Amino acid sequence: DSGVTQTPKHLITATGQRVTLRCSPRSGDLSVYWYQQSLDQGLQFLIQYYNGEERAKGNILERFSAQQFPDLHSELNLSSLELGDSALYFCASSAGGLARTYEQYFGPGTRLTVT
Amino acid sequence: ILNVEQSPQSLHVQEGDSTNFTCSFPSSNFYALHWYRWETAKSPEALFVMTLNGDEKKKGRISATLNTKEGYSYLYIKGSQPEDSATYLCASSTGNQFYFGTGTSLTVIP
Repeated sequence: DSGVTQTPKHLITATGQRVTLRCSPRSGDLSVYWYQQSLDQGLQFLIQYYNGEERAKGNILERFSAQQFPDLHSELNLSSLELGDSALYFCASSAGGLARTYEQYFGPGTRLTVT
Repeated sequence: ILNVEQSPQSLHVQEGDSTNFTCSFPSSNFYALHWYRWETAKSPEALFVMTLNGDEKKKGRISATLNTKEGYSYLYIKGSQPEDSATYLCASSTGNQFYFGTGTSLTVIP
């Protein structure tokens, strides 16, 4: 158990809908990262937050947004969902804000299925 | 987009064998190289983070080396055990971006 929690575990929704995925980092970790793993692709970095502020942005679509709250939990919002958004979404956390040097601890993931 | 490549794609070894795999990455704008172990139906688990050319890290029977000048890292497993069966992922960090390879799938046959 990495100490990172994600809810829900599974989510099934229809195209065009909006969903929110939630992540609570390990106690004491200030950084939260979001990743997407689609069937036909490897792990893709979406976005990083550090202590409430956006720190880095990867391959995140404009239909997706995220935020980190004062209690350090983070939410990833996915809107106008398409079939291709079906994927496993991981959240990870680390102690520091510099992605390059800190080990990341991954949550169990949220499996999103868009029908 | 930065191209991180891992080889081989998959590997089957006998229990007790030692093995190694490669992660190649562009050496420009390099900040850190991360190795993860990813078992089926679980989440990636961090093994090592390396930043300096010549870095060597070790955790039990698993070790890794880093060559930032030529852009590669090796992961070694000594005396493979069935519980080592997993996908081993590397990720290169350039500043504030992460780029993952597609992994090496290791199967250790008892």
